[in-house]
Amino acid sequence: NAGVTQTPKFQVLKTGQSMTLQCAQDMNHEYMSWYRQDPGMGLRLIHYSVGAGITDQGEVPNGYNVSRSTTEDFPLRLLSAAPSQTSVYFCASSLHPSETPDFGPGTRLLVL
Amino acid sequence: EDQVTQSPEALRLQEGESSSLNCSYTVSGLRGLFWYRQDPGKGPEFLFTLYSAGEEKEKERLKATLTKKESFLHITAPKPEDSATYLCAVQANTGFQKLVFGTGTRLLVSP
Repeated sequence: NAGVTQTPKFQVLKTGQSMTLQCAQDMNHEYMSWYRQDPGMGLRLIHYSVGAGITDQGEVPNGYNVSRSTTEDFPLRLLSAAPSQTSVYFCASSLHPSETPDFGPGTRLLVL
Repeated sequence: EDQVTQSPEALRLQEGESSSLNCSYTVSGLRGLFWYRQDPGKGPEFLFTLYSAGEEKEKERLKATLTKKESFLHITAPKPEDSATYLCAVQANTGFQKLVFGTGTRLLVSP
């Protein structure tokens, strides 16, 4: 198993640009989620999904969209990037929401 | 509101010098408490899950314990390769899709 994979590893955007952060897992995990990590703050939940076709908001969802068309993939979309979205983004997955999530390697995003 | 506080923010140890990291939490019914290790530029790596007060788990030089208000990560005779940031997170019984993380403890072990 490749585990949880994320692309790209690093991205620079200009304010107002859009992009999609990719997340995939090959473990047939039903639950997937996105967190952001900022200096001096703990990881914060952005959006999560409990299965294909089902998504919901986490603690900090504003400015981000998600969809879950397959079990394997859970992309995170920034429609109009803002400097406040400069962060490191982590995708996580688990077989069930109550189980310990496995984290991906992260995407470092810089918005100028 | 669920909350996790970790202390100290940073800890510097000599190789072989044992110590403990603290994770204090408030949660509306604890489903699980998690410890992760995070190396620079990497994602969090799972270490332990604790579910009830009194529970203890060990892995090599690490031992995690849990009370009703806090958890400790004890590091016995640490080595330089134990240098990392250690993250604590809690999962509540309600809304269990969400982990609430602390800000972590940065551990540096010098040879």
